[in-house]
Amino acid sequence: GAVVSQHPSRVICKSGTSVKIECRSLDFQATTMFWYRQFPKQSLMLMATSNEGSKATYEQGVEKDKFLINHASLTLSTLTVTSAHPEDSSFYICSARGRSAGLYEQYFGPGTRLTVT
Amino acid sequence: KQEVTQIPAALSVPEGENLVLNCSFTDSAIYNLQWFRQDPGKGLTSLLLIQSSQREQTSGRLNASLDKSSGRSTLYIAASQPGDSATYLCAVMEYGNKLVFGAGTILRVKS
Repeated sequence: GAVVSQHPSRVICKSGTSVKIECRSLDFQATTMFWYRQFPKQSLMLMATSNEGSKATYEQGVEKDKFLINHASLTLSTLTVTSAHPEDSSFYICSARGRSAGLYEQYFGPGTRLTVT
Repeated sequence: KQEVTQIPAALSVPEGENLVLNCSFTDSAIYNLQWFRQDPGKGLTSLLLIQSSQREQTSGRLNASLDKSSGRSTLYIAASQPGDSATYLCAVMEYGNKLVFGAGTILRVKS
């Protein structure tokens, strides 16, 4: 089946620093990648959608200058949290959609736990 | 704006029981509905995906139904086991590929 990886799985950083999270589709070409955020005991909220080679589309209320998304290839998307603050501490999950005709299924990565101290 | 609601929020049952998790959504213009499992601190595992034209899907002890017109889906788990303990998330895919998630049902199956 389709596999999506994320790196790192866990990161702790100091307030004010930037953190980059990678999302890779390992065995398929991801035409679209999605980034979600999940706060404790809450569900996943879509942050942004990125198509390979074009700018990401951000959901309402998500600061595009704070959460930089790059989808430079069909197998890699990165999310950079700039000038991180403790309130950015969360579980970040990416998903990827490939050219699977008819299903439009998203395959999810294992998530990255970000803790900002 | 699409809203997805899951009931109950938490459920604790003894091993062997059959159980039903409920999901409702406000806008029936969906492409599909998906049920996921999430273990603590982990990512999502897709359990069942029902296309908008389908009524149900089955996989092993799991059966999911979809009534698009009434905006409801149920996930039926037969003969529950302690290993089924997890959070179960329901999500609808809107046209445009956007997934909208419910808050989940936390299931605990006691041995």
